[in-house]
Amino acid sequence: DTGVSQDPRHKITKRGQNVTFRCDPISEHNRLYWYRQTLGQGPEFLTYFQNEAQLEKSRLLSDRFSAERPKGSFSTLEIQRTEQGDSAMYLCASSHTGVDGYTFGSGTRLTVV
Amino acid sequence: GIQVEQSPPDLILQEGANSTLRCNFSDSVNNLQWFHQNPWGQLINLFYIPSGTKQNGRLSATTVATERYSLLYISSSQTTDSGVYFCAVLAGNKLVFGAGTILRVKS
Repeated sequence: DTGVSQDPRHKITKRGQNVTFRCDPISEHNRLYWYRQTLGQGPEFLTYFQNEAQLEKSRLLSDRFSAERPKGSFSTLEIQRTEQGDSAMYLCASSHTGVDGYTFGSGTRLTVV
Repeated sequence: GIQVEQSPPDLILQEGANSTLRCNFSDSVNNLQWFHQNPWGQLINLFYIPSGTKQNGRLSATTVATERYSLLYISSSQTTDSGVYFCAVLAGNKLVFGAGTILRVKS
């Protein structure tokens, strides 16, 4: 078990470009979450999957954001037409139904210039 | 929605000192977790503690659910304890985090 893996660790992109992040959860975990953390704040919930079904989305997840979890394994988070306000750390976490406690990945730090 | 408040916002300790971090929450919860975020951004789950007291080495945590607060105790602090400590409560399917306590331990 290698924990929750996120790729890339850092991404610098120009405003208006599209970016995609990947998260590989712990293999036996059926729940996967995306959070966003800006400087000086705690992480904020973006979206939640149980297996391949996206069950909840935050109002923070504008139309420019889309997340998928095909086959209930890894997940991708895509941001289209990035804006400077999208600069943040994007964190992925996984857990298993009936087991308390989340495991977080190391995050992808996005900088939009 | 549920509100989570942490205090103090930041704390500077001399190595070897003890400290107490507090988390207040606005509604009853059945899932509360403490995390440590290291300088590289990694969030490490320290405790799952919806009620009662747990200890893990130099760290311990107590949650008094009826009074809606939780405490994290750090004893004999070390420089590696530096970072940000978050408490988070489960609201539906999502964790709601406090703003964190920034801890700096000086040698």
